Amino acid sequence: RKEVEQDPGPFNVPEGATVAFNCTYSNSASQSFFWYRQDCRKEPKLLMSVYSSGNEDGRFTAQLNRASQYISLLIRDSKLSDSATYLCVVNMYTGRRALTFGSGTRLQVQP
Amino acid sequence: DAGVIQSPRHEVTEMGQEVTLRCKPISGHNSLFWYRQTMMRGLELLIYFNNNVPIDDSGMPEDRFSAKMPNASFSTLKIQPSEPRDSAVYFCASSQQGVNQPQHFGDGTRLSIL
Repeated sequence: RKEVEQDPGPFNVPEGATVAFNCTYSNSASQSFFWYRQDCRKEPKLLMSVYSSGNEDGRFTAQLNRASQYISLLIRDSKLSDSATYLCVVNMYTGRRALTFGSGTRLQVQP
Repeated sequence: DAGVIQSPRHEVTEMGQEVTLRCKPISGHNSLFWYRQTMMRGLELLIYFNNNVPIDDSGMPEDRFSAKMPNASFSTLKIQPSEPRDSAVYFCASSQQGVNQPQHFGDGTRLSIL
């Protein structure tokens, strides 16, 4: 099982739609969680941290489910500019003691 | 504020040549990370430093790869000799206070080994 697993997609949605991605992680002791966004041929950029109680930033909502070991990202009212790859990032607290990136979920918002 | 600065942006060289990638982290960040990204393998952590000291280099592919951080504002990743399979985008990232903080990435170096 991969340490951090995401559905690669692509998710093709119309403008204005609501879309959600999940990401599962293998280490129950993981403490830190983030969502990053990566545009084609660009660097990953922090979208939002994920807090235990869930958190919202405008149209974006992130949630953590420790019991089932997954985090989620919900995007409401999708814009064309939301088209990108969304990377789930987890601090695995393994011997490597560093953040582990998922392989990403690709979102394509269509007009 | 200046972000993470990487150079060069693009590098094309022939196999067997030495390649040196450079990174200047965000001022005040004390953790620095080198990543490699390819379509096949995604984003892979190669090595990371905390307070200029290498903490984990288990991601470095082989002895041809080496990284240094002589001071808080500069790091290099060197490949010698380079091989075509080293072709990838290499990202440098930095963060505050260790691995629990979000990382900020540079624009990357797009490396092509012919």
